[in-house]
Amino acid sequence: GQNIDQPTEMTATEGAIVQINCTYQTSGFNGLFWYQQHAGEAPTFLSYNVLDGLEEKGRFSSFLSRSKGYSYLLLKELQMKDSASYLCAVRDRRVVTFGTGTKLQVIP
Amino acid sequence: GAVVSQHPSWVICKSGTSVKIECRSLDFQATTMFWYRQFPKQSLMLMATSNEGSKATYEQGVEKDKFLINHASLTLSTLTVTSAHPEDSSFYICSARGTHLKSSYEQYFGPGTRLTVT
Repeated sequence: GQNIDQPTEMTATEGAIVQINCTYQTSGFNGLFWYQQHAGEAPTFLSYNVLDGLEEKGRFSSFLSRSKGYSYLLLKELQMKDSASYLCAVRDRRVVTFGTGTKLQVIP
Repeated sequence: GAVVSQHPSWVICKSGTSVKIECRSLDFQATTMFWYRQFPKQSLMLMATSNEGSKATYEQGVEKDKFLINHASLTLSTLTVTSAHPEDSSFYICSARGTHLKSSYEQYFGPGTRLTVT
C-alpha cells in the first residue's frame, strides 16, 4: 500500500511564495503528481515528477527526492485564485493514490 | 485536447433506486478509465479501474455488485450505483488515460457527478 502525508491547511499572503510538502511511503514508486482542486470541482493536473529534482512550470514548481520519499509544490506570486486544495498523488506500478490534500487559503 | 465529460453533473434519487453515471473521453481514446469517490473534505478514493473490453478491477472494500462498471468502448465508461442508500451520497469522479495522449502518464478528470440519495 501507500501512505501519503500532507499538511491539512495553510494560509499565505497574496504575492508571496508558499511551499506545500508531501511525504510518502510506497513500494514500486512510479511517479508523483500534484493536482489543484477547487471546492466542488474535479482536480486539475499541475505537475508530474518521476526523477529527482525540480520541475518548473510558470508560477508553479515541483520538487522530488525519491530517496527521502519527499516532494514539495512551490507556488510563487500567489494570487487569490490560487486558494484551493492541492493534492499530492503517488503512482505505483498499478494505480495512483491521492493524499488528503492541503487546503491553501490566500489572503490579501 | 484531453477532455473528459460526465453526465449527469448532479442527481438526486430515492433510496433503493439505481443511478447510472456516464464518463466520456471526447477527443481521445481512453484505454483505461478510473472511478473515484470523494466525500466532503476528504481525498479522492479510487473505487475501480476499467480497461476497455475487460472486467473492472475493484479496490478492496468496494462492492462490485453494488457499483457496476462497464467500459464498453474506448470513449465511454459507465458506473451504475445499484440499490442506492443515503451513505452512497458522494461526489463521483472519473478520469481517463490514453496512450495517444502527449503525456500518457496523465489522468484527465471529468467534472464529477454529485449524487444525493434521499
